[in-house]
Amino acid sequence: SAVISQKPSRDICQRGTSLTIQCQVDSQVTMMFWYRQQPGQSLTLIATANQGSEATYESGFVIDKFPISRPNLTFSTLTVSNMSPEDSSIYLCSAGQGTTEAFFGQGTRLTVV
Amino acid sequence: KNQVEQSPQSLIILEGKNCTLQCNYTVSPFSNLRWYKQDTGRGPVSLTIMTFSENTKSNGRYTATLDADTKQSSLHITASQLSDSASYICVVPSFSGGYNKLIFGAGTRLAVHP
Repeated sequence: SAVISQKPSRDICQRGTSLTIQCQVDSQVTMMFWYRQQPGQSLTLIATANQGSEATYESGFVIDKFPISRPNLTFSTLTVSNMSPEDSSIYLCSAGQGTTEAFFGQGTRLTVV
Repeated sequence: KNQVEQSPQSLIILEGKNCTLQCNYTVSPFSNLRWYKQDTGRGPVSLTIMTFSENTKSNGRYTATLDADTKQSSLHITASQLSDSASYICVVPSFSGGYNKLIFGAGTRLAVHP
């Protein structure tokens, strides 16, 4: 199994600012993912964080808005840029090895005011 | 289109009662199906992973079933406890772009009342 530490756990931010969320895994993992979860909704994949190369973004998400770093096999960051109230959501980091189990961080609850 | 649908959307039961949550999927090819429990304000935690050849799998008071022919799964919770109040999410990986992308159901929000 893998233990994922995500921080901050929550934050309240002013519109127009940026927030960087960190995700640390206690073991090396091939795949890391970033999700967004709107209140009462299920998880939506933002992007796959690739080690040593640019992240792969899903439709509707762009690098300028959600830049991602993956400097090694245990760490990744997601930045929510130029925030607006519509970005208020829970952001979740996930790690998995493809066909095997996926583990999730505890999430970052973001409120933009 | 690869989809995962869950029912009911929400459910209220009394403590000690049993309940069954449903999941239908259209993901192909199929490799496995997962049930996750997500407490409010927390990340999802895995309950079970079922492969094509498994029909039933238990994890304590949680029992998952899988019918790969009809593409249906259920999660049965026995003798419910207040701590079972959470969202239960059915997830099926879809192989796309060289890796497995998880397809999430919308979840069933379960409330267990005393």
